[in-house]
Amino acid sequence: AQSVTQLDSQVPVFEEAPVELRCNYSSSVSVYLFWYVQYPNQGLQLLLKYLSGSTLVKGINGFEAEFNKSQTSFHLRKPSVHISDTAEYFCAVRGGGSEKLVFGKGTKLTVNP
Amino acid sequence: GAGVSQSPSNKVTEKGKDVELRCDPISGHTALYWYRQSLGQGLEFLIYFQGNSAPDKSGLPSDRFSAERTGGSVSTLTIQRTQQEDSAVYLCASSPVSRGNEKLFFGSGTQLSVL
Repeated sequence: AQSVTQLDSQVPVFEEAPVELRCNYSSSVSVYLFWYVQYPNQGLQLLLKYLSGSTLVKGINGFEAEFNKSQTSFHLRKPSVHISDTAEYFCAVRGGGSEKLVFGKGTKLTVNP
Repeated sequence: GAGVSQSPSNKVTEKGKDVELRCDPISGHTALYWYRQSLGQGLEFLIYFQGNSAPDKSGLPSDRFSAERTGGSVSTLTIQRTQQEDSAVYLCASSPVSRGNEKLFFGSGTQLSVL
């Protein structure tokens, strides 16, 4: 069965600093990878996804993620964060012929002024 | 509707009572998912529907949990004889089809509190 590990439960950063949120998944023949974001008091929404092709994926709000098959990782990055990026970020994977989308436990990003 | 709608938004119940949680997916979406979100536990998969069928119900925690979907639309998640550990936010999501590569549209969830 697929599994997802988000290595950091909380990440505090200062505004305009770069950030990387880490995600590792269990290996499968083929996988689809996603990052979802949950802003305070809002529902989850898709940030970006990797299906195939270029390993660098760009999403909304200046975020990007890189798929690394050899390290089974899909880390999320942003070169300069804003206060409005404060949210919880979830990595998710679907693969191995399963319809189930498996989520990690989430990383709370707090951007301080 | 414009998005996935869940009701009620909040539910407080006593231990041992049964509860029903409702999900109205986006019109035309054939795939529907239920997840449970607990503090520090992320999103736990419960069940997946394709149309009215549930090909994967592997995430239901016990036989107290059941779900159905009618008319390829509305879904109801029922929890019988609720326990305190059932307290969580129950999220519903839908997608147009289920080929693995499309995004899920989430509702705002039902916050369930079992006293």
